[in-house]
Amino acid sequence: AQKVTQAQTEISVVEKEDVTLDCVYETRDTTYYLFWYKQPPSGELVFLIRRNSFDEQNEISGRYSWNFQKSTSSFNFTITASQVVDSAVYFCALSEAISGGYNKLIFGAGTRLAVHP
Amino acid sequence: AAGVIQSPRHLIKEKRETATLKCYPIPRHDTVYWYQQGPGQDPQFLISFYEKMQSDKGSIPDRFSAQQFSDYHSELNMSSLELGDSALYFCASSPEGLAGGPARSFTYNEQFFGPGTRLTVL
Repeated sequence: AQKVTQAQTEISVVEKEDVTLDCVYETRDTTYYLFWYKQPPSGELVFLIRRNSFDEQNEISGRYSWNFQKSTSSFNFTITASQVVDSAVYFCALSEAISGGYNKLIFGAGTRLAVHP
Repeated sequence: AAGVIQSPRHLIKEKRETATLKCYPIPRHDTVYWYQQGPGQDPQFLISFYEKMQSDKGSIPDRFSAQQFSDYHSELNMSSLELGDSALYFCASSPEGLAGGPARSFTYNEQFFGPGTRLTVL
């Protein structure tokens, strides 16, 4: 069965602190995709990153970085020098391989990040 | 660039009423997904359509039905509304999936999310 666990329900930091959001997943498939989405207070889901199961390279995009480790089934997300605008709920998600290309996303419970001035 | 359009953006209904949510996918996208996000919850997959046929089904109540039309837009019909149906409903679209191919061939087609419809049941 597929499952995504985000153990951190809420995180509160002060601006300019670094913060890491944890994501642990379960899947029996060897081919899958992992995602991070941001949901600001306005409610829309903003796509941040997609990573396939064969690519364990870490990725950096500006202040964002992602650490994918298959050995521990984790896909953690770090924000460096956090800003107030980073305040949002962050969801980690998993999509397993389904022939045909149409695959639903399984979301974690989300981590609410509050960045204070 | 065109995005996924959902209408209405906000909807208020009374218990036991019906509601219809509409989703207009990005042009040339033929796959549509519906997700329900309750207050403080993560989005939960409801149902998906590929080329106007239901492709997958999640935890969708029997009171809900959905379809995809010839122009690829989709509608989610909800009857006998309950207080617990109050949620943000997202539609996502993706471009044409892999047709046929090896049994375990895999491709992932990006899902583009709409802004959501916030349904409040009073």
